[in-house]
Amino acid sequence: AQSVTQLGSHVSVSEGALVLLRCNYSSSVPPYLFWYVQYPNQGLQLLLKYTSAATLVKGINGFEAEFKKSETSFHLTKPSAHMSDAAEYFCAVSDLRSGGSNYKLTFGKGTLLTVNP
Amino acid sequence: EAGVTQFPSHSVIEKGQTVTLRCDPISGHDNLYWYRRVMGKEIKFLLHFVKESKQDESGMPNNRFLAERTGGTYSTLKVQPAELEDSGVYFCASSQVRSTDTQYFGPGTRLTVL
Repeated sequence: AQSVTQLGSHVSVSEGALVLLRCNYSSSVPPYLFWYVQYPNQGLQLLLKYTSAATLVKGINGFEAEFKKSETSFHLTKPSAHMSDAAEYFCAVSDLRSGGSNYKLTFGKGTLLTVNP
Repeated sequence: EAGVTQFPSHSVIEKGQTVTLRCDPISGHDNLYWYRRVMGKEIKFLLHFVKESKQDESGMPNNRFLAERTGGTYSTLKVQPAELEDSGVYFCASSQVRSTDTQYFGPGTRLTVL
């Protein structure tokens, strides 16, 4: 079965500092990987996704993530944090083995990012 | 283009009552998913529709949960009778048909069972 581990349920950074949110996955087949963000009182919004093309994926709002097969990781980074980045971030892997068109997502537990002024 | 919408945004009911959650996917999206996040836990898959057909119900907790998608448009998720452990946020997502297509999520329905 697939699984996702997000290291750190809560990460706090200063405004302007590097953001690094960690995600490791377990999958017996090449995965599709996703980062979603949930701002307060909103739904989940896709930040970026890896679908077996370039291993360095750029997303919205200056975020990027690198797929490292040898480390089974897909960490999310942003060079300089902004106050508006405060939100909860979810890493997810898509189950491609279900057959048909069921690409259900398996999520990590989420990481709450706090940005301090 | 309108996004995925869910109704109601919040629902507070007592144990033993019935609640029906509704999801309207993005127009033209054949795939519709339901997920749930119980407090303190990860978001978990409940079930998947392609048009009006259920493709995978493996995540449904038990037979108190019934999902439908009549006509392949909106979907409902009914919980009858509700139990305390059903409390959580229920998310709906929709996508087109390819494996690389993004799942677009609704804002969720927060269900509280007292």
